[in-house]
Amino acid sequence: KQEVTQIPAALSVPEGENLVLNCSFTDSAIYNLQWFRQDPGKGLTSLLLIQSSQREQTSGRLNASLDKSSGRSTLYIAASQPGDSATYLCAVSGGYNKLIFGAGTRLAVHP
Amino acid sequence: GAVVSQHPSWVICKSGTSVKIECRSLDFQATTMFWYRQFPKQSLMLMATSNEGSKATYEQGVEKDKFLINHASLTLSTLTVTSAHPEDSSFYICSAPLLAGGGSGQFFGPGTRLTVL
Repeated sequence: KQEVTQIPAALSVPEGENLVLNCSFTDSAIYNLQWFRQDPGKGLTSLLLIQSSQREQTSGRLNASLDKSSGRSTLYIAASQPGDSATYLCAVSGGYNKLIFGAGTRLAVHP
Repeated sequence: GAVVSQHPSWVICKSGTSVKIECRSLDFQATTMFWYRQFPKQSLMLMATSNEGSKATYEQGVEKDKFLINHASLTLSTLTVTSAHPEDSSFYICSAPLLAGGGSGQFFGPGTRLTVL
């Protein structure tokens, strides 16, 4: 049974810092891995999608890497801003598009 | 990008009543949609896979007679919470993949907050 773990559970940093959020999964047989952002009481916004054959994806200040063999992914946020404050969720797809989510990392960036 | 909508965004109902939540893919067709439930400060838990034109597939521990799913068209799936009780109060979110069969990203609706009194 696939299990997804995210570390840390919560993070509070001053504006401008570079951040690394970690995601690990137990079964390396995945189709893809997706990082999402969720604001309080809202739905999910897709940030980055990494296919199993890819090593990383970049979008603006965000960079996500995938090491499928070791079951790990990291989300790197450069030059953090208060607007980045949210919960970041990692999810893996193991087939038939079913997503298994981690518990998330709650990020607070203070001015 | 692809857009998925949900209606209503929030609903309050009395215990014992049924509530229907709609999930629509607005600019693409989805033969498969997914329903998730999220309790406060917890992650999303997959409840069921909605399949257009056939029965839904439920995850272990989810009562199919309580959570009725209908996927009558390629753009609409509905989740009906029957005889709702306070413990059913939660945030329900649907999603749809852009491509069937795996390998594509998923797009999520904005969610429906259900409160059962």
